[in-house]
Amino acid sequence: QVQLQESGPGLVKPSETLSLTCTASDGSISSDTYYWSWIRQPAGKGLEWIGRVYTTGSTNYNPSLKSRVTMSLDTSKNQLSLKLTSVTAADTAVYYCARGEKYWHDSTGSYSEHWFDPWGQGTLVTVSS
Amino acid sequence: EIVLTQSPGTLSLSPGERAALSCRASQSVRSNYLAWYQQKPGQAPRLLIYDASSRATGIPDRFSGSGSGTDFTLTISRLEPEDFAVYYCQQYGSSPKTFGQGTKVDIK
Repeated sequence: QVQLQESGPGLVKPSETLSLTCTASDGSISSDTYYWSWIRQPAGKGLEWIGRVYTTGSTNYNPSLKSRVTMSLDTSKNQLSLKLTSVTAADTAVYYCARGEKYWHDSTGSYSEHWFDPWGQGTLVTVSS
Repeated sequence: EIVLTQSPGTLSLSPGERAALSCRASQSVRSNYLAWYQQKPGQAPRLLIYDASSRATGIPDRFSGSGSGTDFTLTISRLEPEDFAVYYCQQYGSSPKTFGQGTKVDIK
């Protein structure tokens, strides 16, 4: 089973850019079978999907964050990255990366994206001056 | 956006008892693309159930999922001490993917 490990600064100043990396223990980052997502969880609260990226570079972001989010893959390093600009205290959370499977459907000419498994252990990012 | 509402917010039960957790969607979940996750303090969520009723690899058979359309249920037939945790439902049938607010199962 692949293991995912998030890394990045634990403290970011307001109005700056949050940058995180997630490293996969195997080469599945390069597989067209999967898509890759970031999900966050403020302390004591629920889970919020941030967005997803395919190996082709295709992205889809949560409309609530779309204007501030960029996700990308570096297949040579087995890494997924997240950039979130203009952060505020409301962006303080544990950030998780997760892998999902996707399936092509000839009938619709599109992919269906499925459940998240596995997840990384998460990394806490605090936005504070 | 599909809003998932979980109930109850907290379920207080004793080991050995049966737990039934509800997840109601604001609109029909396409192809019953609904998952359940378990989260313990300080840990990442763990997949329990996918496609509403399929158990993930390694998940004990005391966990079962049911439902379709807008109403889904996670049932734990006999609570073990390690089952006391927070449970989230999640839909992946439409974008954005959304989660319920969680149900905490704690020891009575």
